[in-house]
Amino acid sequence: DAKTTQPPSMDCAEGRAANLPCNHSTISGNEYVYWYRQIHSQGPQYIIHGLKNNETNEMASLIITEDRKSSTLILPHATLRDTAVYYCIKTNSGYALNFGKGTSLLVTP
Amino acid sequence: DAGVIQSPRHEVTEMGQEVTLRCKPISGHDYLFWYRQTMMRGLELLIYFNNNVPIDDSGMPEDRFSAKMPNASFSTLKIQPSEPRDSAVYFCASSLERGDIQYFGAGTRLSVL
Repeated sequence: DAKTTQPPSMDCAEGRAANLPCNHSTISGNEYVYWYRQIHSQGPQYIIHGLKNNETNEMASLIITEDRKSSTLILPHATLRDTAVYYCIKTNSGYALNFGKGTSLLVTP
Repeated sequence: DAGVIQSPRHEVTEMGQEVTLRCKPISGHDYLFWYRQTMMRGLELLIYFNNNVPIDDSGMPEDRFSAKMPNASFSTLKIQPSEPRDSAVYFCASSLERGDIQYFGAGTRLSVL
């Protein structure tokens, strides 16, 4: 069960949109894409998830390509408090979360 | 709800000592998970429970590790005897149903000297 692929690090200016990509080319039809983040010294925090349609909540938007092989997490107006490691996870059961190494996002003033 | 509560937040012990980590899940959640996070291996699932019953402990590294859930509001992860390579941050998480969002505690940072 191959994990997802994410860039190791990204920078974003405060107030700008942060677009975090994720490749999940081996995703199967019943697997969801989940995004969690981990702020330094805290436990992981759920952000958003989706199956094939784009999703939006109060924290972020999730754009999934039509072939479902990749997705992008969008933080529309990044703040300094959004500096964290972001994990993209594919799972069909939800309980077995393979976190991988994630993307370390640095939001700069 | 106060969220998932873990104690202690920090634990420093000497090699060979017994260590017990504690977790109180969110009330009403049927699933409880124990994870370990290290720089080398990242976040790993150790074991999870459903309705207080251990379902999958394939992630438990060896017999020195054991986990129990005597009731719906309490779980322990015990390491006996502890070794320096057990030093890590241990997280507990709970979810309402299988496949549902997992809510994590703040973690216990364990240092074994």
